[in-house]
Amino acid sequence: GENVEQHPSTLSVQEGDSAVIKCTYSDSASNYFPWYKQELGKRPQLIIDIRSNVGEKKDQRIAVTLNKTAKHFSLHITETQPEDSAVYFCAAHYPTSGGSYIPTFGRGTSLIVHP
Amino acid sequence: KAGVTQTPRYLIKTRGQQVTLSCSPISGHRSVSWYQQTPGQGLQFLFEYFSETQRNKGNFPGRFSGRQFSNSRSEMNVSTLELGDSALYLCASSPTGTSAPYEQYFGPGTRLTVT
Repeated sequence: GENVEQHPSTLSVQEGDSAVIKCTYSDSASNYFPWYKQELGKRPQLIIDIRSNVGEKKDQRIAVTLNKTAKHFSLHITETQPEDSAVYFCAAHYPTSGGSYIPTFGRGTSLIVHP
Repeated sequence: KAGVTQTPRYLIKTRGQQVTLSCSPISGHRSVSWYQQTPGQGLQFLFEYFSETQRNKGNFPGRFSGRQFSNSRSEMNVSTLELGDSALYLCASSPTGTSAPYEQYFGPGTRLTVT
């Protein structure tokens, strides 16, 4: 199966700074990498995703980069705001013998943005 | 479209009892996955149903089971509850077919407490 490691576990930044969270995965067959934001007491929400045929994807202040050779992908948040404070999870979807996919999640990063 | 809904939102059970949780996916989504979220283990994949068939299963004991109905609604059942089953149980729906992984949309979760 897949193994996903996520770092750091906690990230504290000042408002306006950038934040970077990195995940590494073990199965080179994994081909879909979503990022989720989970605020306290709320459901995880997909914020951005990337597929293995793309190296980078941006959506306003959020970007994700993928390095297939090194098997790692990163979430970049620029101009952080207090409302960005949450737990962020990465995931890697790997194929099963039946032709579908199973996600493995990182352990999460608690991002704290200080005003 | 209405989002993913889960019932009940909170549940308190005693060791040895069984419990059934329900999930209604986004209209048109045929894939429903279930996850267990705990502070110690993070987000872990339980199983996925697609067109009323269990397509994938995570590494959980047989006490955890599920099913999907013809309208794509899904239920999961946990028998002989243990203290360690206390967790947030999340379901997620996806428009996925069989050729590639698609984005998942999570429900609000059911908070299960076993005493």
